[in-house]
Amino acid sequence: QSALTQPASVSGSPGQSITISCTGSSSNIGGSYLVSWYQHHPGKAPKLLIYEAIKRPSGLSNRFSGSKSGNTASLTISGLQAEDEADYYCCSYATGSIYVFGTGTKVTVL
Amino acid sequence: EVQLVESGGGLVQPGGSLRISCAASGFTFSSYWMHWVRQGPGKGLVWVSRINSDGSTSSYADSVKGRFTTSRDTAKNVLYLQMNSLRAEDTAVYYCVRVPIGASGLVIDHWGQGTLVTVSS
Repeated sequence: QSALTQPASVSGSPGQSITISCTGSSSNIGGSYLVSWYQHHPGKAPKLLIYEAIKRPSGLSNRFSGSKSGNTASLTISGLQAEDEADYYCCSYATGSIYVFGTGTKVTVL
Repeated sequence: EVQLVESGGGLVQPGGSLRISCAASGFTFSSYWMHWVRQGPGKGLVWVSRINSDGSTSSYADSVKGRFTTSRDTAKNVLYLQMNSLRAEDTAVYYCVRVPIGASGLVIDHWGQGTLVTVSS
């Protein structure tokens, strides 16, 4: 299984909305609703943002939202804030009872 | 408090073997599925393997299948990753992670601090 494809970088100004895409295939994203998203600040443990493609963990800001269409999942961050500057990874369940992460996206707040 | 503490990392030559461990505490270890995730230097997260709660089933990424074996000792509350035929591309920090009971998908709620494995001659 190859890594899911994410844009290497996405940037936006404070208050704006940005969307990070995560493209796979019918053997992972396209065949499963089990897509999760993580935010990773270097040096800290990654933080779960989205699970089952669209669900937010209890207590997480509603500025983060997920969606899925076909072989592509997306994470949208609305009302961009300085603390959102981090690396973001998608992850999907895949054929063969395995998981695959995305290539990662560096978000820069301008 | 949930704690996952990895150990056993180090420098190993290409083709060599290493076993890393993850000591779990603060929760009922035998009830949870556990996974290994790694991150190479300057690279992204990569899922490595998972094992079910009683250790009867496991699965592996294609890149490590046939070389790595995940096991657990529920009496000692320890998760293991036996790594054989190591390659330079296996160089990474290896994280032990926990998935909540009943969760669907890779829904990680706790991460260890990681242990560095370096494969080099």
